Amino acid sequence: DVKVTQSSRYLVKRTGEKVFLECVQDMDHENMFWYRQDPGLGLRLIYFSYDVKMKEKGDIPEGYSVSREKKERFSLILESASTNQTSMYLCASSSSSGGRETQYFGPGTRLLVL
Amino acid sequence: SQKIEQNSEALNIQEGKTATLTCNYTNYSPAYLQWYRQDPGRGPVFLLLIRENEKEKRKERLKVTFDTTLKQSLFHITASQPADSATYLCALETGGFKTIFGAGTRLFVKA
Repeated sequence: DVKVTQSSRYLVKRTGEKVFLECVQDMDHENMFWYRQDPGLGLRLIYFSYDVKMKEKGDIPEGYSVSREKKERFSLILESASTNQTSMYLCASSSSSGGRETQYFGPGTRLLVL
Repeated sequence: SQKIEQNSEALNIQEGKTATLTCNYTNYSPAYLQWYRQDPGRGPVFLLLIRENEKEKRKERLKVTFDTTLKQSLFHITASQPADSATYLCALETGGFKTIFGAGTRLFVKA
């Protein structure tokens, strides 16, 4: 089974803090994604990566950056957390070969910025 | 821009009945469409994928239809059970590596 893990289930941070969210997948997937999920808005893509050291902006990249130094790990960075970044953050991965359409999600990190 | 619409109101049905959830989209012609299930506090889990040249797909008690003319997918759960209670997300590919997700419809199955 594909396993995607996220470093924290819950996080509380203060405005202005730098926040790191880490995601690790164990299926040797090429593609990794970061989404945020807010009530009524669905999942919105922040950034994605299709290879090590490669990154592409999603629909809402402002205020975020990412890092992918190793294939299995994709980090989301909030440079200076703000209250409007309070949300559920979901990481996902997918293969570039057969079955590439399916994304496998981690359990999510619920971030509260005070 | 691409837009996906799912019923924002929760669907309440009695155990044993068929649940039908709707996904409508605009401004795009996806090569495939997916349905995911999400339980509270959890990440979405893939259920079914249907391609543009397929009208219907089944998996156990689940059935998905895809009408590219109406730009609509219907997701059916037959003989529903309380364990089917969850939020169901529709997702469609938009080219390359990107997928857009609907906001989901919450399903409650009463025993």
